[in-house]
Amino acid sequence: AQSVTQPDIHITVSEGASLELRCNYSYGATPYLFWYVQSPGQGLQLLLKYFSGDTLVQGIKGFEAEFKRSQSSFNLRKPSVHWSDAAEYFCAVGARNNQGGKLIFGQGTELSVKP
Amino acid sequence: KAGVTQTPRYLIKTRGQQVTLSCSPISGHRSVSWYQQTPGQGLQFLFEYFSETQRNKGNFPGRFSGRQFSNSRSEMNVSTLELGDSALYLCASSPGQDEKLFFGSGTQLSVL
Repeated sequence: AQSVTQPDIHITVSEGASLELRCNYSYGATPYLFWYVQSPGQGLQLLLKYFSGDTLVQGIKGFEAEFKRSQSSFNLRKPSVHWSDAAEYFCAVGARNNQGGKLIFGQGTELSVKP
Repeated sequence: KAGVTQTPRYLIKTRGQQVTLSCSPISGHRSVSWYQQTPGQGLQFLFEYFSETQRNKGNFPGRFSGRQFSNSRSEMNVSTLELGDSALYLCASSPGQDEKLFFGSGTQLSVL
């Protein structure tokens, strides 16, 4: 079955510290991979995506993610967290055969930032 | 370009009623998808429309339906509301060529 697992429900980091959010997926083939961020009461904003090519992808707001096929992982990283990064982060996968807007999301990781 | 617009922002309904939610996609986007977000189940795909045709559907009962108009605007309808339908309903649009979705701020539906 297709699924996305974000093992960490809640993470707290200090401002200025590095961040890594984990994402593992189960899929029949190499899917499209995404990270989205959601602030309270808001919709989702795309941080970055992986379709093909370089397995290290750069996104907005200083985020990056690395696709590791052998580990079925797509972890999100940021070298130095800012207080404004506090939000919920979702990893998602989509099919390469154009399943028409259908993404499978993980349960999300809530990030808190300590001053 | 204006983003994805969802109306209304908040809705309160009672059990048994029906509700219609509206979504205006980004100009030029032909695909509109709908998602339900709840604390317990997370984000779940409802359905997707492309050029007025439902192209994909999630695992929701028939009480959940949608449509898309020729200008790509979409509506979602839920009939015979149940308490468990209380959720944030998110609409997302894309050009239709890949799966990069742009989300609206959602409609928060409360069923009493």
